Amino acid sequence: SAVISQKPSRDICQRGTSLTIQCQVDSQVTMMFWYRQQPGQSLTLIATANQGSEATYESGFVIDKFPISRPNLTFSTLTVSNMSPEDSSIYLCSVLGLAGAGDTQYFGPGTRLTVL
Amino acid sequence: LAKTTQPISMDSYEGQEVNITCSHNNIATNDYITWYQQFPSQGPRFIIQGYKTKVTNEVASLFIPADRKSSTLSLPRVSLSDTAVYYCLVGALSGNTPLVFGKGTRLSVIA
Repeated sequence: SAVISQKPSRDICQRGTSLTIQCQVDSQVTMMFWYRQQPGQSLTLIATANQGSEATYESGFVIDKFPISRPNLTFSTLTVSNMSPEDSSIYLCSVLGLAGAGDTQYFGPGTRLTVL
Repeated sequence: LAKTTQPISMDSYEGQEVNITCSHNNIATNDYITWYQQFPSQGPRFIIQGYKTKVTNEVASLFIPADRKSSTLSLPRVSLSDTAVYYCLVGALSGNTPLVFGKGTRLSVIA
């Protein structure tokens, strides 16, 4: 399985500011994804980070609010722009890898964001 | 994507075997079944994956009946450290479609 690291692990930010979260993988991966997990809730997919092209966003998430970069096969960033307290969540990076019968996803440790 | 249904929560005593069943009536031919474990403030951790019959690893067993419309995650002799949320997901073998998480089952292990 891939080893995934995220920076920062946590942050407290003021409303109206932006935060960029980094995701680094120890091997090249084809697919990278960003999820959000609000307090007490399950994971919600934000977008698929495509290498060399624009990210593919899920319904309810837009590029202006959550710009994503993927400059190579081992790295991606997610920016949470113009933050409000409703953006307080854990943000998780995920990559596709091999496991058992077929492909599956592996997750980073998450970035806990609190917006005041 | 196949929708999954699993119990919201379960309680168990230490040392008991825990079985969590997941329903996925609309599973497609090329879907496989994967279970994840998530502790508070951590990312989900892959536990086990299967396509049919039974799969066993050092952590758990996964039982899948012939019709594949359900699956059961079996945790042998749970300990307090197995208290977590367990997610059942189904997805295509090609893996190009990201996993969609349901609500999961919150397992509480009691001493």
